[in-house]
Parts: sequence; structure tokens; C-alpha cells
Amino acid sequence: AQKVTQAQTEISVVEKEDVTLDCVYETRDTTYYLFWYKQPPSGELVFLIRRNSFDEQNEISGRYSWNFQKSTSSFNFTITASQVVDSAVYFCALMGGSGTASKLTFGTGTRLQVTL
Amino acid sequence: DADVTQTPRNRITKTGKRIMLECSQTKGHDRMYWYRQDPGLGLRLIYYSFDVKDINKGEISDGYSVSRQAQAKFSLSLESAIPNQTALYFCATSDSGTASYNEQFFGPGTRLTVL
Repeated sequence: AQKVTQAQTEISVVEKEDVTLDCVYETRDTTYYLFWYKQPPSGELVFLIRRNSFDEQNEISGRYSWNFQKSTSSFNFTITASQVVDSAVYFCALMGGSGTASKLTFGTGTRLQVTL
Repeated sequence: DADVTQTPRNRITKTGKRIMLECSQTKGHDRMYWYRQDPGLGLRLIYYSFDVKDINKGEISDGYSVSRQAQAKFSLSLESAIPNQTALYFCATSDSGTASYNEQFFGPGTRLTVL
């Protein structure tokens, strides 16, 4: 069985602070994929990143960065110099590696509130 | 124009009514999914379909049924709606024929309220 845990239910920061959203996963697959999605107040789901289990390189995209550590089964997401527009619910998700699986298991989400 | 559309976007109905939520996509993807989102629970998979003749139950299929009328259309039905089916419903698609086959593209969601 697959499981994704996002222990932080809500985080509040002041604009320009850095913030890290934690994601811990469980899977028996040796090949798997990890995702982050953003859900702004408007409700749609916005894809942020996909990472496969064989690629442990950290990734940076502008103010966003992701730290993937297989040893601790974690895929954490950091926003540097947060902005009010970053306020949203962020979901971490896991997909098993079988080609026929294609089923995403989501965490419960972390609500990030960025204030001025 | 949106690639994945859902109708209606909002619906209020009464207990016992039959409800259909529709999803259409213009992405040409073969795989389609229905999820429901409840506060504090994230998204959970209801049903998924890998092609027109393939329908599979997800994590929480009880009380729901689906129909894949065409590659581009995937409908979710609540035969007899109950209040605990009040939730935000998302349709998603993915393409098995590409290297990024596992990336799912989500529709805008349908907010369903069952009174």
C-alpha cells in the first residue's frame, strides 16, 4: 500500500520568509514517482513538479526548490522569499512505478498562508 | 480554452436524487480519472479508465458509477445522492503514449452539495 504524509496542516508566514513544506511517503515499489500540486483559493490543481525515484538530484525553479531524499523517504518543498500569491494548499502525491498503475495517492495537503 | 472541462461547476441537490457529473477533454489522452476532495483528506480516487472499454474502481467507489462514452468523455454518477457525498470532484486525464505518461492534468472541479 502507498501512503503520503503531510504532517503540517497549516503554516503561516510573513512575506519574504522562507518556508518548507514536508512530505514523507511509503511505498514498496522500487520505481515510483513523486509530485507536488498547488491548489490556490480558486480551487484548481496546478502541477508543480514530478520526480522519479531514480533521480535524487534536488531541483530549483525560481523561488521553488525540492529536496528528494530516498534514505528518509521524503520529498520536501521549499519556497524562498514567499509572496502573498503563494498562499494556497499544497499537495504531495505518489504514484507507483508499474506502467499500468497511474494512480496518484495524495497527502492531506498543507495550507500555506502568506501575509504582508 | 480549457483542455479538461467539467460540468456543472457547482451543483446543489437533495438526498436521493440522481446526479451526473461530466468531464470532457480535448487533450487526446486515453486515461481518465475521477477524484473527490474532502477538507483535511486530500484527493481520493473514485474510478479510473485506461481506455473506452476499461473501467476500474478506485479507493472509494461505493455509491458511484461511471461511464466512458468516448475517449474524450468520462461521466460520474451518483445514483442516489447522500449528504456525505458533498465534496469537490475533480476529473483528470493522462496520456499513456508519452514519456510523461504519469502526469495527470486536472479539470477545474465540480463543487457538489447534497442537502
